[in-house]
Amino acid sequence: DAGVTQSPTHLIKTRGQQVTLRCSPKSGHDTVSWYQQALGQGPQFIFQYYEEEERQRGNFPDRFSGHQFPNYSSELNVNALLLGDSALYLCASRYRLRGTGELFFGEGSRLTVL
Amino acid sequence: DAKTTQPPSMDCAEGRAANLPCNHSTISGNEYVYWYRQIHSQGPQYIIHGLKNNETNEMASLIITEDRKSSTLILPHATLRDTAVYYCIVRGSQGGSEKLVFGKGTKLTVNP
Repeated sequence: DAGVTQSPTHLIKTRGQQVTLRCSPKSGHDTVSWYQQALGQGPQFIFQYYEEEERQRGNFPDRFSGHQFPNYSSELNVNALLLGDSALYLCASRYRLRGTGELFFGEGSRLTVL
Repeated sequence: DAKTTQPPSMDCAEGRAANLPCNHSTISGNEYVYWYRQIHSQGPQYIIHGLKNNETNEMASLIITEDRKSSTLILPHATLRDTAVYYCIVRGSQGGSEKLVFGKGTKLTVNP
């Protein structure tokens, strides 16, 4: 049973560019959330998707957007990249109706903005 | 901001128990205590969670004080592979919120 898978694992972009990161949730999971982890910090919540809609959002600008597809996979898009967007981007999934169930995290996509 | 306070670092000898403390003095009645760990360059891994009773699973034990203002994660026989950053998180059970508020965690180093 594959866990949460993310792609790409590493990528390098330049300031002003746009990036799309992809996530496939663990089998049986219907909820996906995204986190940003800067070097030396704990992960920070970006947003959550289920039923193909954004349900909750953290303190991130509109440059950060997402999408969830009917098969529950998700994308994170970041426009107009800034140097400060360099971070590890983590995707997490769970089955929403299991209220207190744990989140399963992927290994992340490491973005470097030059 | 994180609702928990943890020591920034701890050391433990291999084979000994590792006891990681966490303060969450503002925890609400419906909030659970979760523990995750993150091994270098990997995604966070769920360890255990609890509401008010002590919990045990194959990875660890969670001891929550009676007033629920603090807890301790216990790794009974630490190995070198347990070296990681350990995060204590308080999370509500309502509304299906996915928002985990991570602090900086405790960096546990298990020494041979």
